[in-house]
Amino acid sequence: DGGITQSPKYLFRKEGQNVTLSCEQNLNHDAMYWYRQDPGQGLRLIYYSQIVNDFQKGDIAEGYSVSREKKESFPLTVTSAQKHPTAFYLCASSTWGLTSGSEGDTQYFGPGTRLTVL
Amino acid sequence: AQSVTQLGSHVSVSEGALVLLRCNYSSSVPPYLFWYVQYPNQGLQLLLKYTSAATLVKGINGFEAEFKKSETSFHLTKPSAHMSDAAEYFCAVGSYGKLTFGQGTILTVHP
Repeated sequence: DGGITQSPKYLFRKEGQNVTLSCEQNLNHDAMYWYRQDPGQGLRLIYYSQIVNDFQKGDIAEGYSVSREKKESFPLTVTSAQKHPTAFYLCASSTWGLTSGSEGDTQYFGPGTRLTVL
Repeated sequence: AQSVTQLGSHVSVSEGALVLLRCNYSSSVPPYLFWYVQYPNQGLQLLLKYTSAATLVKGINGFEAEFKKSETSFHLTKPSAHMSDAAEYFCAVGSYGKLTFGQGTILTVHP
């Protein structure tokens, strides 16, 4: 089955600690995205990548870093500079770059990782 | 710049009643519009999307949405609510590979 996997499902971080969230897809999609979800605020874009070895900052990139060394993988590191409390992190992918219009804009989501700051 | 406004952060209906979730958008170009559903502690699942082929779009689980350009709206409806419809619903507008989401509407269904 094709899809997007995120691990771990639950993650705990102490203040001052860096942690990395994993996102893998086997959909052969070129574009991948990271969102943070806070109650009552919808989803906000952290970083996105439309091709291997290239990525762009989203609306709330401060305190986060990413890499895109392989098409299938787009890990997100939450650094010690990130002061935000507990949040739900979602990874997504799309065919943008291979297709355009509504098909290219359609994003498919993983199951999410809940990060708790201790 | 694009934006999405979902009117009503919480909507409560009785089982069997009409579901209406409101979404208004702002876009400088013809929009691609989406509705997603999220169950607790899960990712988002695509319900339906507007592609400009038809103004009335049918999605999964009996949901549909109508694109009204004059009202800049893309409201989501379902004729008869089921208990399993209880979830959070997000409207989004897409452009050049990126989505802008509304703040979400939590749907509660009472027996």
